[in-house]
Amino acid sequence: AQSVSQHNHHVILSEAASLELGCNYSYGGTVNLFWYVQYPGQHLQLLLKYFSGDPLVKGIKGFEAEFIKSKFSFNLRKPSVQWSDTAEYFCAVNVNDMRFGAGTRLTVKP
Amino acid sequence: KAGVTQTPRYLIKTRGQQVTLSCSPISGHRSVSWYQQTPGQGLQFLFEYFSETQRNKGNFPGRFSGRQFSNSRSEMNVSTLELGDSALYLCASSFLGSQETQYFGPGTRLLVL
Repeated sequence: AQSVSQHNHHVILSEAASLELGCNYSYGGTVNLFWYVQYPGQHLQLLLKYFSGDPLVKGIKGFEAEFIKSKFSFNLRKPSVQWSDTAEYFCAVNVNDMRFGAGTRLTVKP
Repeated sequence: KAGVTQTPRYLIKTRGQQVTLSCSPISGHRSVSWYQQTPGQGLQFLFEYFSETQRNKGNFPGRFSGRQFSNSRSEMNVSTLELGDSALYLCASSFLGSQETQYFGPGTRLLVL
């Protein structure tokens, strides 16, 4: 069955630290991949997406993600986090329908 | 452009009752998807409607149903409510379907007592 795994449930970083959030999925066919973010008190919104082409995709607010097909992974990265990045991050995979990972709560300490 | 709106925002019901939630997508969007979000299960796909037709359905019992109207507005209904149905119900719209970027509403928080 199609599933999405996010390895970290809660990550705590200091400002300016680098971030990498892991995401693995279990579907072997063609997939559309997404990272969504939910800031405190706000709606879920798209950070970035991968459909095809360059496996390194850039999103809003300096985030990027790399699709590694051989590893079934789509990890999210940011070289230097800010306090305002405190949020919950969801990886999602769409084949016939959308499947979300459990989410990773990121806390950035000022 | 107005975003996705959901009504009501909060709802308290008792076991055995039924509930109807409403979602108005972004103007021009023809696809509406519904999700249930709980602390234990995370975000789970309920169903997707496109041009008034259910296109996909998640793994939920038949008590969960939905429909879409000709103006793309969608409703979901949960009959015979159970305590475990307490959750945040999110609606998302997109132009062509959930395979592209979806825009989420604020959700309806349902509490079943």
